[in-house]
Amino acid sequence: AQKVTQAQTEISVVEKEDVTLDCVYETRDTTYYLFWYKQPPSGELVFLIRRNSFDEQNEISGRYSWNFQKSTSSFNFTITASQVVDSAVYFCALSEARRGYQKVTFGIGTKLQVIP
Amino acid sequence: DAMVIQNPRYQVTQFGKPVTLSCSQTLNHNVMYWYQQKSSQAPKLLFHYYDKDFNNEADTPDNFQSRRPNTSFCFLDIRSPGLGDAAMYLCATTPPGRGSEKLFFGSGTQLSVL
Repeated sequence: AQKVTQAQTEISVVEKEDVTLDCVYETRDTTYYLFWYKQPPSGELVFLIRRNSFDEQNEISGRYSWNFQKSTSSFNFTITASQVVDSAVYFCALSEARRGYQKVTFGIGTKLQVIP
Repeated sequence: DAMVIQNPRYQVTQFGKPVTLSCSQTLNHNVMYWYQQKSSQAPKLLFHYYDKDFNNEADTPDNFQSRRPNTSFCFLDIRSPGLGDAAMYLCATTPPGRGSEKLFFGSGTQLSVL
């Protein structure tokens, strides 16, 4: 069975601080996909990034960066110079490789509060 | 430019009174999903449609049903809502894929049961 653990349920930072959201996953599959989604107070989950299990390159997109390490089964997300608009719940998710529909396992989410 | 639209945003129903939540999409995606998200919990997949094929998750209660009359619309019917069914219900879509497709979510319907 697949499992995604986000040990940090809530984090508060002061604006402009850097913050890292942790994600640890478990799977027996050799091919799988990892995602991060953002859920602002409006409720809609918004896709941030996708990584497949064969691509361990770290990625940077503006103030966002992701660190994927298969050796530790982790896919951590860092926000640099946080802003109030970053306040949201962030979900890490794991998807099996399969044809057809997405079988996604979500973590419980990390609620990030950025204080002005 | 909303691509997955859920109505209503908030829904209040009475204990045991049937309720229907709706979802529409402009993406022409083959697959539509319904997730249940309770407070401070991860979204939980209830079922999905691949075109007209309905697929129930093993632990989804019989109280939850769904209809997909066409590609664009999908409905979630709760036949006899209980207090434990109060939650955010999220609709999502994807094209068919190999596990790598991102989910496109609607804004959700927050259901309250009185």
